[in-house]
Amino acid sequence: DAGVTQSPTHLIKTRGQQVTLRCSPKSGHDTVSWYQQALGQGPQFIFQYYEEEERQRGNFPDRFSGHQFPNYSSELNVNALLLGDSALYLCASSLEGRGANVLTFGAGSRLTVL
Amino acid sequence: AQSVTQPDIHITVSEGASLELRCNYSYGATPYLFWYVQSPGQGLQLLLKYFSGDTLVQGIKGFEAEFKRSQSSFNLRKPSVHWSDAAEYFCAVGRPISGTYKYIFGTGTRLKVLA
Repeated sequence: DAGVTQSPTHLIKTRGQQVTLRCSPKSGHDTVSWYQQALGQGPQFIFQYYEEEERQRGNFPDRFSGHQFPNYSSELNVNALLLGDSALYLCASSLEGRGANVLTFGAGSRLTVL
Repeated sequence: AQSVTQPDIHITVSEGASLELRCNYSYGATPYLFWYVQSPGQGLQLLLKYFSGDTLVQGIKGFEAEFKRSQSSFNLRKPSVHWSDAAEYFCAVGRPISGTYKYIFGTGTRLKVLA
């Protein structure tokens, strides 16, 4: 049973560029959340997608956008990259339903902005 | 505002010693509580969770955690640490919002295990 898969695992960009990160949720999951984990910090919530719509959003600027596809996979796009965007980006999937949902995390995409 | 505090940034223990990692949360009601572990270069793996009921919960890898409402705490414990437990540990709380749940993570505690 495949867990959450993310790609690419590592990438390097320069300031001002744009990046797209991809996530395939765990089989059977329908909700995808994205987190940013800066070095030495805990994950910070970016946004959550369910039924192909953004349902919740954390305190991140509009440069961060996303998409969810009919097969539940998701993309995170970041425009006009800043040095401060360097971080590990984690995708987490869950199954919508009653009660709190346990998040299953991928291994992350490490973005370095030079 | 809701928050999660892990007061210990680093903890070092000897292999075979007991372990307790602290977690305090700020929330108006009883949230859902989680502990995750992150090994270097990896994502987060769920160790255990508390939703309701028995305040002492058992998790994987021999970990347990105790919810104490009066102290707003959810500390993680292990009776005997193994070298493979060296990793970073994150406490998280989940609260309902707009028909779903929002999860807030602490800043983590990095565990070092001495042979």
